[in-house]
Formats: sequence, C-alpha cells, structure tokens
Amino acid sequence: SQQGEEDPQALSIQEGENATMNCSYKTSINNLQWYRQNSGRGLVHLILIRSNEREKHSGRLRVTLDTSKKSSSLLITASRAADTASYFCGGYNTDKLIFGTGTRLQVFP
Amino acid sequence: DTGVSQDPRHKITKRGQNVTFRCDPISEHNRLYWYRQTLGQGPEFLTYFQNEAQLEKSRLLSDRFSAERPKGSFSTLEIQRTEQGDSAMYLCASSSADLYYGYTFGSGTRLTVV
Repeated sequence: SQQGEEDPQALSIQEGENATMNCSYKTSINNLQWYRQNSGRGLVHLILIRSNEREKHSGRLRVTLDTSKKSSSLLITASRAADTASYFCGGYNTDKLIFGTGTRLQVFP
Repeated sequence: DTGVSQDPRHKITKRGQNVTFRCDPISEHNRLYWYRQTLGQGPEFLTYFQNEAQLEKSRLLSDRFSAERPKGSFSTLEIQRTEQGDSAMYLCASSSADLYYGYTFGSGTRLTVV
C-alpha cells in the first residue's frame, strides 16, 4: 500500500519556472528520499533527507522535511524540458522504501 | 557493472500461464527488492532479500507469487496461474547496507496478461 501522497498529482510549467511538489506520509518514517522516473523506465534516486534534517540542497534541487507535519517538499529551480518525468517520495518503513503516488511533471520548452 | 538488469523487458502471456522474471543486481549490493507498479501509481513493495534470505513479503504477494535469490546473487520472481490483474510493471532494485545512497532500480519488466 502507498504510504505517502504527492501533491499535486500533475504539474505543467514552462522551462525556466520553478516546480514544487509536496509529499505527505501517514506514519513515522526514517530518512525520506525523492526519486525520478522517466516514462517506462525505472526510478532514479535524486536526494535523501535524514529525519533530523530540515532542508537539503543538491544542484537545482531543494528538499525540505517537516516531521511534525509528516510532510516533505521537492523544489526544482529553473526547470528544463529534460526534467519532464514523474517524481516520487519514499520513506523507510522498517527496512524497505514505501513510495507515494507520484507527481507527474511536464516542462514545456 | 552496468547497474541493475532485468529480463525480459516485456512479457505478454495468456491468462493461466506461469511467468518468471529475472533480476541481476549490482554485485556489491546485498539487498534486493521487488516492486510492482501499475499505470499512474507509485511502486508497491512486494518482497526483499538480504543476501539469500527473504526477509519480508507484502500482503500483496499472494500464494501465486514466489521469489528466490539463490546464493545471494540474481533473483527470480515467478507468478503462477497469471490473472489479468497481474498486468503491471515489475521493478527490481538493489542497495547496499548504507541507505544514504538509496536504491538502484532496473528498467523493469512489463507484464501484460491477455
């Protein structure tokens, strides 16, 4: 079963704009991760944020974590057409990742 | 090492037939996971191995599903007496004990049951 839910389910923006996706999860988790999935392919790990961290940056990615609200956000700055993909958050439940429902991002050139 | 390999990429089978998928993880990774993903949804956990030991199975994994990882290397996922509801993408992933680096996923096996 899905543990997290991403919001929005779908997002369309122009190149150069920022894209923000949110993830809320139902139970306590350790170490939340974000993944990207291009159509018909496997998931690619983007970034991990530990339970004791509040914000993390990696290139054009910025992730925040609010454990009290059980939520996380992924910000992609200066988006590119190549960022078009589905994005999933995943939290560790015991020893395995449980994923959310995903946000489908479309970036128009 | 070219990453996680899954074979076949696509499989079309008739309802009631058995199918078997293979996953070759990154050789240094001792953990291997199977997920199922349907269109528009996130991956759903099925089962995982640490070395050759199968440590957890999801309630989603009915008796028709079985997974093995002999000798802690490649893994197979078998579905017996396939049903149309089994149509999905089956994803394999591997990881090391250091969770910081996340999972490395294969490209998946797309199963269509007709």
